[in-house]
Amino acid sequence: EVQLVESGGGLVQPGGSLRLSCAASGFTFSSYDMHWVRQATGKGLEWVSAIGTAGDTYYPGSVKGRFTISRENAKNSLYLQMNSLRAGDTAVYYCARAPHSSGYMDVWGQGTTVTVSS
Amino acid sequence: SYELTQPPSVSVSPGQTASITCSGDKLGDKYACWYQQKPGQSPVLVIYQDSKRPSGIPERFSGSNSGNTATLTISGTQAMDEADYYCQAWDSSPNYVFGTGTKVTVL
Repeated sequence: EVQLVESGGGLVQPGGSLRLSCAASGFTFSSYDMHWVRQATGKGLEWVSAIGTAGDTYYPGSVKGRFTISRENAKNSLYLQMNSLRAGDTAVYYCARAPHSSGYMDVWGQGTTVTVSS
Repeated sequence: SYELTQPPSVSVSPGQTASITCSGDKLGDKYACWYQQKPGQSPVLVIYQDSKRPSGIPERFSGSNSGNTATLTISGTQAMDEADYYCQAWDSSPNYVFGTGTKVTVL
């Protein structure tokens, strides 16, 4: 069974850091692009970052310079290092799989909740 | 920055057809996809590359994309189709953009 399981969410103070992880199973992880997408309570989906099969990384302006996506193919794992966190980063964070260079996300994890508050 | 606009809500009677639009500048020049999200659940891909259905998605879901508008159509809508629906497109940057979302209510 194809599965993505996120972990690492929690409560962090403004300006703090957090590292999210996503464990993949049931498919050849190294052959897929991977994404992080977030959703604040009651709001829509927002793309946060992407990493290609070659390790190329992409970010929207809202997180560029603060967030870093990475992958460890030997461990079938995806990561998101989040620094300088703000209240506006509070959301459920999903990892998602995307067929290489396809632009769409065909498998999603269950999400992990990040709360930035003092 | 690129934006995709959807109607906030669409209402449909059981068995009827629901159409959800997604508008963006020259959207027809890009590929569009659609996700279904039920309360408390993760998004599920229902249409990719404008009109293709992933395995396991019912035939009543179909999509099209032309000009500035992509459309998700649900034919013979069932109560189980009540959910939020999001369109999404991407460009060569790459930049991945989600639509504003549409709540489909089956009355």
